[in-house]
Amino acid sequence: DGGITQSPKYLFRKEGQNVTLSCEQNLNHDAMYWYRQDPGQGLRLIYYSQIVNDFQKGDIAEGYSVSREKKESFPLTVTSAQKNPTAFYLCASTLGGQGELFFGEGSRLTVL
Amino acid sequence: GNSVTQMEGPVTLSEEAFLTINCTYTATGYPSLFWYVQYPGEGLQLLLKATKADDKGSNKGFEATYRKETTSFHLEKGSVQVSDSAVYFCALTHKLGGTSYGKLTFGQGTILTVHP
Repeated sequence: DGGITQSPKYLFRKEGQNVTLSCEQNLNHDAMYWYRQDPGQGLRLIYYSQIVNDFQKGDIAEGYSVSREKKESFPLTVTSAQKNPTAFYLCASTLGGQGELFFGEGSRLTVL
Repeated sequence: GNSVTQMEGPVTLSEEAFLTINCTYTATGYPSLFWYVQYPGEGLQLLLKATKADDKGSNKGFEATYRKETTSFHLEKGSVQVSDSAVYFCALTHKLGGTSYGKLTFGQGTILTVHP
């Protein structure tokens, strides 16, 4: 079945540590996105990539980094510079021609 | 810039009640409009969409009509079920040209709880 796989589903991190969240898709979609979800704040865009080897900052990119070396993969690194990293992180992709996003099941990061 | 405003939640209803979740937007031109649903512990799924004024999107008994004159895209369902309990997000995007769309802008989400 085609879809988006995020891992891990739950992750605990100590302050000062970097952590990388994985996102893989087998939908052959060109564009991929990372969103952060906090209670009562909806979804905020962190980074997005519309093509391999290219990506752009979203609305809240500070403290995060990404790479897009393969079409199928768009990992997100939450660095120690991110002041408040505890959140639910969602990866998404789109075929582009329809405007709608397909989401993974999310990764919940908790900083201890 | 673009923005989406949803009615404040949470919304609590009894089974078989009528549901309305209001959504209004601010955007230039003619955006495409979406409703996404997020069930507990999961990612978002597309519920319905409309790409031009007066279009009605519908799915699973839910409907929403693209009203350009009031810049609204309210979600409605005639008879809700316990299984409809979820968070609902209104969103918009613009067509950039050809078959390419810009990034989505989401509302803050509305929590719906349906009791038996």
